[in-house]
Amino acid sequence: DAGVIQSPRHEVTEMGQEVTLRCKPISGHNSLFWYRQTMMRGLELLIYFNNNVPIDDSGMPEDRFSAKMPNASFSTLKIQPSEPRDSAVYFCASSPGLGTDTQYFGPGTRLTVL
Amino acid sequence: GQSLEQPSEVTAVEGAIVQINCTYQTSGFYGLSWYQQHDGGAPTFLSYNALDGLEETGRFSSFLSRSDSYGYLLLQELQMKDSASYFCAALNDYKLSFGAGTTVTVRA
Repeated sequence: DAGVIQSPRHEVTEMGQEVTLRCKPISGHNSLFWYRQTMMRGLELLIYFNNNVPIDDSGMPEDRFSAKMPNASFSTLKIQPSEPRDSAVYFCASSPGLGTDTQYFGPGTRLTVL
Repeated sequence: GQSLEQPSEVTAVEGAIVQINCTYQTSGFYGLSWYQQHDGGAPTFLSYNALDGLEETGRFSSFLSRSDSYGYLLLQELQMKDSASYFCAALNDYKLSFGAGTTVTVRA
């Protein structure tokens, strides 16, 4: 059974460029979460979806960040324009439903903005 | 807001027992989860406590006291592969808020 799939695994870009991170949740999971992890701020929830609908985006740091979930098997997190302080590991996680105790994390995308 | 406190690091020898404490302040609290993350890897689920008491899963156990806003993860019979970061996470309002993590280093 495939786990959460994220692409790319590594991304290096220059300041000002648009970055798109992709996530495929586990089939049958209704909830999807985007996290960012840095040494300074730890693991932060950015946004989460339930049944493809954004429920809470209060963790999205700025308008430069946007996320979509056009269908049950695909989500994107976009940063436009990117800045060096966006450098982090971005994780996508899915769970069978809201309030489920277990979230399954993807391998993450390590983003470096020069 | 949400706040979880846990020690930053713990070092122990193989075969030892380690307890990682976690205190939390959060609204809409449903339960406390624990996740393990190896260096360069993704967080993986270890355990979840919704009710007071001890939950045992093999060498790992987790405890929760809702009245004290306190929980702990107990790692027994430590092995080298247990060297990792361990995060407590409060489940509230359908989302997880993570602590800063405890780095456990196991020495031979």
